[in-house]
Amino acid sequence: ILNVEQSPQSLHVQEGDSTNFTCSFPSSNFYALHWYRWETAKSPEALFVMTLNGDEKKKGRISATLNTKEGYSYLYIKGSQPEDSATYLCAFWDYKLSFGAGTTVTVRA
Amino acid sequence: DGGITQSPKYLFRKEGQNVTLSCEQNLNHDAMYWYRQDPGQGLRLIYYSQIVNDFQKGDIAEGYSVSREKKESFPLTVTSAQKNPTAFYLCASSIASSNQPQHFGDGTRLSIL
Repeated sequence: ILNVEQSPQSLHVQEGDSTNFTCSFPSSNFYALHWYRWETAKSPEALFVMTLNGDEKKKGRISATLNTKEGYSYLYIKGSQPEDSATYLCAFWDYKLSFGAGTTVTVRA
Repeated sequence: DGGITQSPKYLFRKEGQNVTLSCEQNLNHDAMYWYRQDPGQGLRLIYYSQIVNDFQKGDIAEGYSVSREKKESFPLTVTSAQKNPTAFYLCASSIASSNQPQHFGDGTRLSIL
């Protein structure tokens, strides 16, 4: 079982503030890193699939970076809005996905 | 609309009983997956299938069984050998490649009576 860790476990953000959190994964034999957003009462939704060292992806106010040599990825939320409240999951792919436990973001109005 | 349908949404199991969770997709995806979520933990892989009539054990396969007779369907049976089956179960599908995202169903919550 691959060790994929996310930190922090949860965070509270004031509306309009920006935030970021971390996913760490094994730095050897890298194939791909996935990010998913999981809102309450919905199914997880794919945000990004990152495959190259130095990759940066952006979707609206959410962006992610990837460092495969040191084994970490950051997810950033710029100008947080209440609809950004969700659990954000990262997952390391080596022919199957190994998920971290997630970072739960709560945006306070 | 294309997507993944899991049923039922809630399921109750009696002691010693096998129960089957349904997962159907119309996305024409080759690969399908079953995950289990427990409070405070990430999604853990139970079984996955990359192609019809073939499947592999994931990290926590003990007490579960699957079949993949059709591309669209990947049912999961929780057997009586699974001593702690109470959990939330998610099914997913994808194009079988590392750079393709997985698409998830809405999940089934299984509880013990």
